[in-house]
Amino acid sequence: KQEVTQIPAALSVPEGENLVLNCSFTDSAIYNLQWFRQDPGKGLTSLLLIQSSQREQTSGRLNASLDKSSGRSTLYIAASQPGDSATYLCAVRRLTGGGNKLTFGTGTQLKVEL
Amino acid sequence: DGGITQSPKYLFRKEGQNVTLSCEQNLNHDAMYWYRQDPGQGLRLIYYSQIVNDFQKGDIAEGYSVSREKKESFPLTVTSAQKNPTAFYLCASSLGQQETQYFGPGTRLLVL
Repeated sequence: KQEVTQIPAALSVPEGENLVLNCSFTDSAIYNLQWFRQDPGKGLTSLLLIQSSQREQTSGRLNASLDKSSGRSTLYIAASQPGDSATYLCAVRRLTGGGNKLTFGTGTQLKVEL
Repeated sequence: DGGITQSPKYLFRKEGQNVTLSCEQNLNHDAMYWYRQDPGQGLRLIYYSQIVNDFQKGDIAEGYSVSREKKESFPLTVTSAQKNPTAFYLCASSLGQQETQYFGPGTRLLVL
């Protein structure tokens, strides 16, 4: 059974700092991995999707890497801003003969302070 | 304005009552999903549907039921058999099985 872990559970940094969020998964037979952002009481917004054949994806100040063999992904946020404060979730997708099933981590709650 | 809508934003359930959460999408997506989110836990899949008139149980389907009579709609009923229904419920949809899932704003269910 796939298990996804995110460390740390919470993180507080000063504005402008570069930071790394970690995601690990137990079964390397994944189709792809996705990073989401969730604001309090809201739905999820997709940030980056990395296919299993890719090593990294970039979007603006965000860079996500994937090391499938070791079961790890990182989300790098450059020059953090207070507007980046949110919970960041990673999810791995495995096609299991039917359905587009995502297994989610528990998230990292990020606070960027002025 | 394309997207996924969920209603209501907050829902209160009395003991022994069935309640239905609405999820509608106008993205012309074939697949739709229901997740439950509890504090300190990741999202868990309740039910999913790959096509109209077809749906499958997810990891925690007990105490829930769904229907998929129309492509754009995937309502979730929380039955009285669900003993711990208090949670944040998220609906999602995707174009196909391999595509990114897009999420609605969520419904928070509380028990009176």
